[in-house]
Amino acid sequence: NAGVTQTPKFQVLKTGQSMTLQCAQDMNHEYMSWYRQDPGMGLRLIHYSVGAGITDQGEVPNGYNVSRSTTEDFPLRLLSAAPSQTSVYFCASSRTSEKLFFGSGTQLSVL
Amino acid sequence: QKEVEQDPGPLSVPEGAIVSLNCTYSNSAFQYFMWYRQYSRKGPELLMYTYSSGNKEDGRFTAQVDKSSKYISLFIRDSQPSDSATYLCAMSDSGGSNYKLTFGKGTLLTVNP
Repeated sequence: NAGVTQTPKFQVLKTGQSMTLQCAQDMNHEYMSWYRQDPGMGLRLIHYSVGAGITDQGEVPNGYNVSRSTTEDFPLRLLSAAPSQTSVYFCASSRTSEKLFFGSGTQLSVL
Repeated sequence: QKEVEQDPGPLSVPEGAIVSLNCTYSNSAFQYFMWYRQYSRKGPELLMYTYSSGNKEDGRFTAQVDKSSKYISLFIRDSQPSDSATYLCAMSDSGGSNYKLTFGKGTLLTVNP
């Protein structure tokens, strides 16, 4: 069982570059979300989606875009990378409530 | 004041010890309380889930919620080296839908053989 798959695992960007972090789940979960995890800050919600075609902002959405064209995929786009976006990014999914399944994370460095 | 406060530790205990991990919160609307365990370089995984006040036990783990004090705890009995991880508390007021979890910063636990 693949669960939640994130790619890439590691990425280094230069300031101003754009990129897309991929997230796919094979559990037919309606809800998907993106978190970033920084030392001393814990996990913070960036964007989330409650179903295909529906997205909404979380706590720290600036500088990020998302779309949800299918139930399975929820990519996160960095429009113009900044050093402040250096972080570990986690994608998560769930059916309705109670249990978030997290991916293994993408470690992003912006130089 | 942050919505959820959690002592980051680190906490180091000998194998077999009883471990107590705690979080306090300020939002009285929180009704759903969770503990996630995160091993190094991995994503968090759900360990315990409780609704409202009370205790819930699962093997060596007990989750306790005291809504009157806005305080939650996770107890680990007979701790093992495999319990070494970061433990994150999380909370939600979203009517059972946990898509807007508020996380604590996590407590790093090391259990020494």
